Amino acid sequence: EDQVTQSPEALRLQEGESSSLNCSYTVSGLRGLFWYRQDPGKGPEFLFTLYSAGEEKEKERLKATLTKKESFLHITAPKPEDSATYLCAVQAWGSSNTGKLIFGQGTTLQVKP
Amino acid sequence: NAGVTQTPKFRVLKTGQSMTLLCAQDMNHEYMYWYRQDPGMGLRLIHYSVGEGTTAKGEVPDGYNVSRLKKQNFLLGLESAAPSQTSVYFCASSYPVPAEQRTDTQYFGPGTRLTVL
Repeated sequence: EDQVTQSPEALRLQEGESSSLNCSYTVSGLRGLFWYRQDPGKGPEFLFTLYSAGEEKEKERLKATLTKKESFLHITAPKPEDSATYLCAVQAWGSSNTGKLIFGQGTTLQVKP
Repeated sequence: NAGVTQTPKFRVLKTGQSMTLLCAQDMNHEYMYWYRQDPGMGLRLIHYSVGEGTTAKGEVPDGYNVSRLKKQNFLLGLESAAPSQTSVYFCASSYPVPAEQRTDTQYFGPGTRLTVL
């Protein structure tokens, strides 16, 4: 069964304290792995898509990496405005004609000034 | 270009009442999805559609019905609301690319917060 697990559930950082969020997945053929950011009371906002092991993508203080079993979202020198819930999702090749995603439970990040 | 919009933003129902949630997208996307989000459960797929006039069940379809009469709209109905349907509902849409190409991205609406008493 395809599955996505994110850890930790919650993370508190001081401003400037770098850390990483983990997304472990089991899927019958990975077509793509997605990272989304969700602010309280809002819909998920797309950040990155990763396709193959070894791939990396960056956006401001965020860098996403991918291995064959997990993805990391590295946050370098975070600021309070980086506080949000970060969601990971995978799409299997078997879902290529439906676009269906399987989501993890998310990691809620709080960055204190 | 509004992207994905949802109506209403908030709603309170009594057990047994019915309602329809409306999702509209102006990106000419073929695929549309309805999710519910509950604390600790992540986003779970209720129903989805791969084109006008088509619908299919997702992970948690019981108690919900959907219709896709127009390409840009996807409606989610609750015929007889139950307290277990208290949740935040999100609609998403995507444009499919050929299977051999890189995957499509789902774009989400702002959500509808539904409370069933």
